[in-house]
This record gives sequence, C-alpha cells and structure tokens, in this order.
Amino acid sequence: EDQVTQSPEALRLQEGESSSLNCSYTVSGLRGLFWYRQDPGKGPEFLFTLYSAGEEKEKERLKATLTKKESFLHITAPKPEDSATYLCAVQCLISGSARQLTFGSGTQLTVLP
Amino acid sequence: DAGVTQSPTHLIKTRGQQVTLRCSPKSGHDTVSWYQQALGQGPQFIFQYYEEEERQRGNFPDRFSGHQFPNYSSELNVNALLLGDSALYLCASSTTEDYGYTFGSGTRLTVV
Repeated sequence: EDQVTQSPEALRLQEGESSSLNCSYTVSGLRGLFWYRQDPGKGPEFLFTLYSAGEEKEKERLKATLTKKESFLHITAPKPEDSATYLCAVQCLISGSARQLTFGSGTQLTVLP
Repeated sequence: DAGVTQSPTHLIKTRGQQVTLRCSPKSGHDTVSWYQQALGQGPQFIFQYYEEEERQRGNFPDRFSGHQFPNYSSELNVNALLLGDSALYLCASSTTEDYGYTFGSGTRLTVV
C-alpha cells in the first residue's frame, strides 16, 4: 500500500528564514511525486512534479528535490504570502491504474513578518 | 480559460439525507476524479470517471456514487449521510496523457 508521510506537521518561520519540508514515501513503483500548495478553504494548487531520483525543480523561492525514498521542498527567504499548507502526493506505476494520487497530511507553514 | 468549477461552495445537510455535488472540468480535460479531505488531513481518493464510466474506486462505501456526462462534467452523490461525511470534497480534472491534476476549490459539506 502506498504511504506518504510529511514532516513537520507545522512550521513557523520568520520572514527570510530559509527551511525545508520533508516528504517520505513508500510506493510500488513511482510514476511521479507532486507538490501542491493549499490555502485555507481552497483546493490544492499545483507546484511541481518530479519523476526520477536526482531531479530538481524551482519556482521563485521554492525548490523541490527527489531521492528514491523522499522529497524535500526547500523554501528560500520566505515571505508571509508563502504561508499555506504544502501537500505532497505520489502516483504509482500500477498498470491500468487511474493514476490516483496518494497524499500526505501536509505541512502547515506560517511565515511571520 | 476557466479552471475546474465546483458547486455549490458550501452545503449543510442533516444525517440520513442525500447530497449531490457538481463539477465542471478544465477545458480540454476528459477525466474527473473526486477526493474527500477531512479537516487537517490530506485529500483521499474516492473514484475517477473517464468516458462516462467509473474507472477506479478508492476505499469508500457504496453510499458514494458518481456520474460523468457526455460533456465530461461530473456529479458526486452521497446517500444516507453520516456526521463523518463532513469534509471538503474536491474535484480534480486531467487528460489521459497528463500525469497531473487540476483541482477545483471544493465543496464544503457539513452534516448535522
């Protein structure tokens, strides 16, 4: 059974204080690992997809990396508007699958001014 | 270009009642998935519709059913509502060639 564990559950940072969020996964063949941002009462907003170990992607202050067992979302010099819940999800390679996403519980990030 | 549209945005129902939630996928998308997100948790896969048929179902009881129409829009129906069905219901659309999903803003269902 696919499993995704995110840590920490919650993180409070001062503006400009860089940090990393962790996503550990167990999956029977990884098709892709996804990062989403979710604001309160809203649906998840797509950030990145990573497909193979060693891959990295960047968008503004965010950088996502992938190994065979985990992914990191690095946040450089965050701003208060980066406050949100960050969700990690995996998609497995099972033939015939609907390519469903299995999500972690998320990391709630608060960036203080 | 409109993204995924869900209606209604909020809904309050009484235990035992039935509810129907609606979703219009992003333009060009033909596959619709439904997810349930309880407070403080990540979304959980309910089922996926493609070509008007249920392609895969997650670990949800038969009280949860769905439909996809020829224009690719979809409905989620929940019968005999329980208090535990209170959650944010998310619709996500995609194409058969695309690995990623676009999510709507969800329907907040409260069962009292």
